[in-house]
Amino acid sequence: EADIYQTPRYLVIGTGKKITLECSQTMGHDKMYWYQQDPGMELHLIHYSYGVNSTEKGDLSSESTVSRIRTEHFPLTLESARPSHTSQYLCASGRVGAGELFFGEGSRLTVL
Amino acid sequence: SQQGEEDPQALSIQEGENATMNCSYKTSINNLQWYRQNSGRGLVHLILIRSNEREKHSGRLRVTLDTSKKSSSLLITASRAADTASYFCATNAGGTSYGKLTFGQGTILTVHP
Repeated sequence: EADIYQTPRYLVIGTGKKITLECSQTMGHDKMYWYQQDPGMELHLIHYSYGVNSTEKGDLSSESTVSRIRTEHFPLTLESARPSHTSQYLCASGRVGAGELFFGEGSRLTVL
Repeated sequence: SQQGEEDPQALSIQEGENATMNCSYKTSINNLQWYRQNSGRGLVHLILIRSNEREKHSGRLRVTLDTSKKSSSLLITASRAADTASYFCATNAGGTSYGKLTFGQGTILTVHP
């Protein structure tokens, strides 16, 4: 079992609301990632971080933002949610120098 | 454009049969990984094969890599109903992209008891 946790698991909110998806890991990993998974299953990298105060945008443009103030914590924020943001968001972490990623259980966001 | 493409998109077999899934990619890689995802859950790492390796085994899993064809296959032998899940290949380009994985669209495997 991976020690990486995402909350909430499920969230249904109205358009225009601000939301934060939490991701925490207790493995001391420097690398952390956010992937967005669409209904067709494909995963797209939207944000990543290689350490504290380091954040980069991924391959898929996203209106969300992230922060990395502590090694173990990598929250994702949407300032004004829209129905197009409805998706599954997966957080992952890994050690520098290793290829394997550990994933959280995911946060399924529905914006009405 | 998508780095990894998987074939077939869905596979349905009987318990005890072997399941083979294929993955193709487009650019040079440092390593290729396979992950499993149960419905509604996160991904779990299965196996990693480096670009200088041709075959790797882990329990009932066998992975092959052909860098000249830019393709990989995952074989699950003696499948069980509990193997029912989605399987993804993911490539790591290395260099400045090291650690960033590009995922294929996945293969949905259903194993009937």
